[in-house]
Amino acid sequence: GAGVSQSPRYKVAKRGQDVALRCDPISGHVSLFWYQQALGQGPEFLTYFQNEAQLDKSGLPSDRFFAERPEGSVSTLKIQRTQQEDSAVYLCASSLKTGWEKLFFGSGTQLSVL
Amino acid sequence: SQQGEEDPQALSIQEGENATMNCSYKTSINNLQWYRQNSGRGLVHLILIRSNEREKHSGRLRVTLDTSKKSSSLLITASRAADTASYFCATDEGGKLIFGQGTELSVKP
Repeated sequence: GAGVSQSPRYKVAKRGQDVALRCDPISGHVSLFWYQQALGQGPEFLTYFQNEAQLDKSGLPSDRFFAERPEGSVSTLKIQRTQQEDSAVYLCASSLKTGWEKLFFGSGTQLSVL
Repeated sequence: SQQGEEDPQALSIQEGENATMNCSYKTSINNLQWYRQNSGRGLVHLILIRSNEREKHSGRLRVTLDTSKKSSSLLITASRAADTASYFCATDEGGKLIFGQGTELSVKP
């Protein structure tokens, strides 16, 4: 596609519900990143994939958060038993090569946990 | 964790004026990047400056890097209302890209 696509654009979940957020990176991009952005703050790193390998998941806040990229393209971020503190915008980004230069971001999924 | 710290947090100027934003960071870096984020959208890469570069230009953007002071600045010349956005610096730290808190720029027509 022309850019990084994320769905859904908005998600409202009841506390305790499981959610799945999808990211379609730019075709052919090797690296894929997930970030969490609270209102008025900069993005906070969650996890990083190189093709299908999850090389760094040190930013995932708890074991309720799980990310996968099974075929090296589309990625899903899953949050189990959502809590109010999980409310944030979840941004996905991809880059052509390995490494951290020139990331292309999607518009994000705004998650609200009630 | 946040590596870069932007200053000021918010900046309001008139169209046609220049806007300068500063970023400070803590550890040694390979490169520093600047991104723009319009309200409700994702971030857009603006410019990357490597640790062995001191200044870089791209259109109306000018970035400087002072590794001795661990700081960078982004200058937008002849600002336009469309430049209204949040601007973030980002540095590579411990194998990940870390963003600062951002500067919110408002350009009034």
